[in-house]
Amino acid sequence: QQPVQSPQAVILREGEDAVINCSSSKALYSVHWYRQKHGEAPVFLMILLKGGEQKGHDKISASFNEKKQQSSLYLTASQLSYSGTYFCGTEDSNYQLIWGAGTKLIIKP
Amino acid sequence: ETGVTQTPRHLVMGMTNKKSLKCEQHLGHNAMYWYKQSAKKPLELMFVYNFKEQTENNSVPSRFSPECPNSSHLFLHLHTLQPEDSALYLCASSQPTGVRTEAFFGQGTRLTVV
Repeated sequence: QQPVQSPQAVILREGEDAVINCSSSKALYSVHWYRQKHGEAPVFLMILLKGGEQKGHDKISASFNEKKQQSSLYLTASQLSYSGTYFCGTEDSNYQLIWGAGTKLIIKP
Repeated sequence: ETGVTQTPRHLVMGMTNKKSLKCEQHLGHNAMYWYKQSAKKPLELMFVYNFKEQTENNSVPSRFSPECPNSSHLFLHLHTLQPEDSALYLCASSQPTGVRTEAFFGQGTRLTVV
């Protein structure tokens, strides 16, 4: 079952904050976050493992709540370079990694 | 540059043609993957190779045929494709094998079937 990402798209002004959610109907063992810019390869951001992890990377952080079967990606004081499509991938008990449809983030100056 | 190189970057082929996509990595990874990315759809895993052995075929039609001659190279052979096969085909690699590790993606081959 594909994880559901929300919102599908968001437009921000530079410096504003954003939250991207990823939720699944199945029990999760890990959540992966990637960003893909137009015409480029998806680039790894972080992996969160079962156990209620939180991770941070510059001004991008994420949390994983395995009880709620969801993860959230937080972008603080967004920069123009944050523009792109953000994908979450969720791992289930069968070690299958299934990807969400993506959230398109547009940052305007 | 992610260390994963795909060629060609763009490919237009007729439905009766035979072509191949190539993926190369020199990161020392032992797992390689083919994904299909269509517009407004999630990434679809097609094939997984671990140590040159195919460990997963995600119900992919036989008109797509993967080949992994060594752990650095991965091919996707295409024949008698359909217009709905037009998409971005992404190759990725990871080390060690398994889903809980970072995957490195190539820039993809944009395939158009006419």
